[in-house]
Amino acid sequence: SQQGEEDPQALSIQEGENATMNCSYKTSINNLQWYRQNSGRGLVHLILIRSNEREKHSGRLRVTLDTSKKSSSLLITASRAADTASYFCATASNQAGTALIFGKGTTLSVSS
Amino acid sequence: GAVVSQHPSWVICKSGTSVKIECRSLDFQATTMFWYRQFPKQSLMLMATSNEGSKATYEQGVEKDKFLINHASLTLSTLTVTSAHPEDSSFYICSVPGLATYEQYFGPGTRLTVT
Repeated sequence: SQQGEEDPQALSIQEGENATMNCSYKTSINNLQWYRQNSGRGLVHLILIRSNEREKHSGRLRVTLDTSKKSSSLLITASRAADTASYFCATASNQAGTALIFGKGTTLSVSS
Repeated sequence: GAVVSQHPSWVICKSGTSVKIECRSLDFQATTMFWYRQFPKQSLMLMATSNEGSKATYEQGVEKDKFLINHASLTLSTLTVTSAHPEDSSFYICSVPGLATYEQYFGPGTRLTVT
């Protein structure tokens, strides 16, 4: 099953611009994580935000979480061509050892 | 964190044949492993939960007789796609949960192409 929608489904920007992706989910969560996936490759964990956190930063990444709206956003600042990839949010329940539920993903294309 | 490997990384098989995919937890004992499937340009969908020493739990819509899962040891789970058809062509990814709710270690994936 999937949690919900991510928007936009596809995003094309120029190098140096910021990219914002949004994710919505349906159930109660313990944490929300963002992953990157280059075409045809495995997942790369980017950042995790816990349900009691509202904002988190890691390098050029900024994640927000609004549990009242059941939504999260990922901002990539000063994008680079190497940021071209698909980005997925994934949620984890309060129970340890359960699977992650992924959003539908946003495909980001950064042109130089 | 745990290191998870998958073998093979890619496989091409003919329609009607069976294919086995291995998922190994190299440095972490895993009583549970998860199998996901990702069709082209789509997200990861949980297929099943592999349980060491007992039957796997399948998500709704996943045929348990077609996707055989064996979790015979704490470090190995196998997914066998039986009588594969072109519509089974997909990227199969396994994961191992850690001790905390935020820990999940993914394998690099196996790309299956059925011709």
